[in-house]
Amino acid sequence: DSGVTQTPKHLITATGQRVTLRCSPRSGDLSVYWYQQSLDQGLQFLIQYYNGEERAKGNILERFSAQQFPDLHSELNLSSLELGDSALYFCASSKNRGSGETQYFGPGTRLLVL
Amino acid sequence: LAKTTQPISMDSYEGQEVNITCSHNNIATNDYITWYQQFPSQGPRFIIQGYKTKVTNEVASLFIPADRKSSTLSLPRVSLSDTAVYYCLVGRLGGGSYIPTFGRGTSLIVHP
Repeated sequence: DSGVTQTPKHLITATGQRVTLRCSPRSGDLSVYWYQQSLDQGLQFLIQYYNGEERAKGNILERFSAQQFPDLHSELNLSSLELGDSALYFCASSKNRGSGETQYFGPGTRLLVL
Repeated sequence: LAKTTQPISMDSYEGQEVNITCSHNNIATNDYITWYQQFPSQGPRFIIQGYKTKVTNEVASLFIPADRKSSTLSLPRVSLSDTAVYYCLVGRLGGGSYIPTFGRGTSLIVHP
């Protein structure tokens, strides 16, 4: 158990819909990262927040947005969903903001868009 | 951006030592090297981190030559449960603006 929690574990929805994924970091960690992993794309970095502020941005689509709240939990919002958004979404946390910091990953949310 | 290159896949047998090498030719002075292990449908798990020479923990060793342009993860006496994808990540602690890049990793299959 990494100490990072993600909800929900599974999500099935339809194209065009909007969903919210939630992540609670390990106690004491200030950074939260979001990743997307699909079968043909490997682990893709989406976005990082550090202590409530956006820190780094990867290949995140404009239809996707995220935020980190004062209690440090984070939410990833996916809208206008397409079939290709079906994937595993992982959240990770680390103590500090550097990209070399040890990241602790949650169990993931499996999203299926039908 | 610290780019890394790893073999796509490797095969081994139970009880053997496995060495996975990662190339990172443009590693910066302040960058550290971190290895992660990922099982299917699970999040990656930290294995080991190092800056130079050799680091050893209870599951693996990490060898980093003096020029730091590559690193080798060594798994002693692998078992079937070591079948997983292994990622090499280069980045700095604290500050810096690198984007963490996991790439495709190395898929290790351990045979009986």
